[in-house]
Amino acid sequence: GAVVSQHPSWVICKSGTSVKIECRSLDFQATTMFWYRQFPKQSLMLMATSNEGSKATYEQGVEKDKFLINHASLTLSTLTVTSAHPEDSSFYICSARLTGGFSPLHFGNGTRLTVT
Amino acid sequence: QKEVEQNSGPLSVPEGAIASLNCTYSDRGSQSFFWYRQYSGKSPELIMSIYSNGDKEDGRFTAQLNKASQYVSLLIRDSQPSDSATYLCAVQTGANNLFFGTGTRLTVIP
Repeated sequence: GAVVSQHPSWVICKSGTSVKIECRSLDFQATTMFWYRQFPKQSLMLMATSNEGSKATYEQGVEKDKFLINHASLTLSTLTVTSAHPEDSSFYICSARLTGGFSPLHFGNGTRLTVT
Repeated sequence: QKEVEQNSGPLSVPEGAIASLNCTYSDRGSQSFFWYRQYSGKSPELIMSIYSNGDKEDGRFTAQLNKASQYVSLLIRDSQPSDSATYLCAVQTGANNLFFGTGTRLTVIP
């Protein structure tokens, strides 16, 4: 069964508005979660690493003021896309590891964001 | 040079055949290797993980790792139309350094 739950599955919003995406670890604590973005026919691109109780680590080229990440508990990380624009339309996927270190990532179902 | 390279395909095989997917990586210090399956419009789903040289079998899937040659492969036996998807190779070099290939699109023809 799923180990990472993501909500919503899809969202359509108007340009200039903000959208919040939730990622929950189910039945385990995730001190670290990872947010990816995937454009059509492209591979996964890591956006940021979400750390419980501290600031997220953003990848080069990802605007931290635009993509706000909050990891306030051991089972919940949120990604807020602020002042969304059509070019932010993409598939956003969160992930976490059941155990630490080199265990595999498990992905949420993803959120399809469409900005009109 | 990309960290992880895969043939983008598409790779087409007839139903019942063996599909062979290959992946090469650049960092000799890589320690963990994963294969994910991604259906169109869906998120990746873990199929196999492999950590040491040799073969690892799970049902119809076999992962093969050769660290000396820096490649990892996935064999799918008795391919089914439901196996049609994009297969992502992922290689981990450090605690939080996981690199994905661009994926190989597999089509199994009934």
